[in-house]
Amino acid sequence: QSVLTQPPSVSAAPGQKVTISCSGSSSNIGNNYVSWYQQLPRTAPKLLIYDNNKRPSGIPDRFSGSKSGTSATLGITGLQTGDEADYYCGTWDSSLSAGVVFGGGTKLTVL
Amino acid sequence: EVQLVESGGGLVQPGRSLRLSCAASGFSFDAYAMHWVRQAPGKGLEWVSGISRNSGNIGYADSVKGRFTISRDNAKNSLYLQMNSLRAEDTALYYCSKDSYSYMSNGFDIWGHGTVVTVSS
Repeated sequence: QSVLTQPPSVSAAPGQKVTISCSGSSSNIGNNYVSWYQQLPRTAPKLLIYDNNKRPSGIPDRFSGSKSGTSATLGITGLQTGDEADYYCGTWDSSLSAGVVFGGGTKLTVL
Repeated sequence: EVQLVESGGGLVQPGRSLRLSCAASGFSFDAYAMHWVRQAPGKGLEWVSGISRNSGNIGYADSVKGRFTISRDNAKNSLYLQMNSLRAEDTALYYCSKDSYSYMSNGFDIWGHGTVVTVSS
């Protein structure tokens, strides 16, 4: 059971837009920045979004992040077959056991 | 080229120890916090431990606290994870990752390919 809750799977057609949600609490998302990672099959994770909505160099603006209260959302527009991957949200948890926590991951299928 | 290369994984019996290493290159290693993240077979990501740039701030997941020790040698551009009292549930692919900041945050912008740890008798 992950501290952050993500839908197990989402799907959309090529060219469409999809959003992936990440729900937490005041001890994590509510008071800390959120990051998003993409993990293509059999590869290491890749940082897509950090500090809620910032994109590292080289990440296309098709990827966007937002946060409201204790939830965060990753948006992907202009879906491509190459976007099929697992997506994870992550944030700092300021509870007694302080540390980084991840969501359980969302499998994106581009139909 | 910015690169992280993990080593030290392998098959180990329950209760034994293992030391993972991560060699960094292509960036100023001593300017950034570093982390270990693991992924059990078919499962999601789990943060294991992190260390600030000067080792002044260290954190562990509850699942490894008291058994694992993270350390770094900035002179050698290397990160380490000493794993003691290993359990079957520690079986995973262990990734070394670079933080975006000098202090521990949750933005890991560089990842290694990982090293596999299998705990089994």
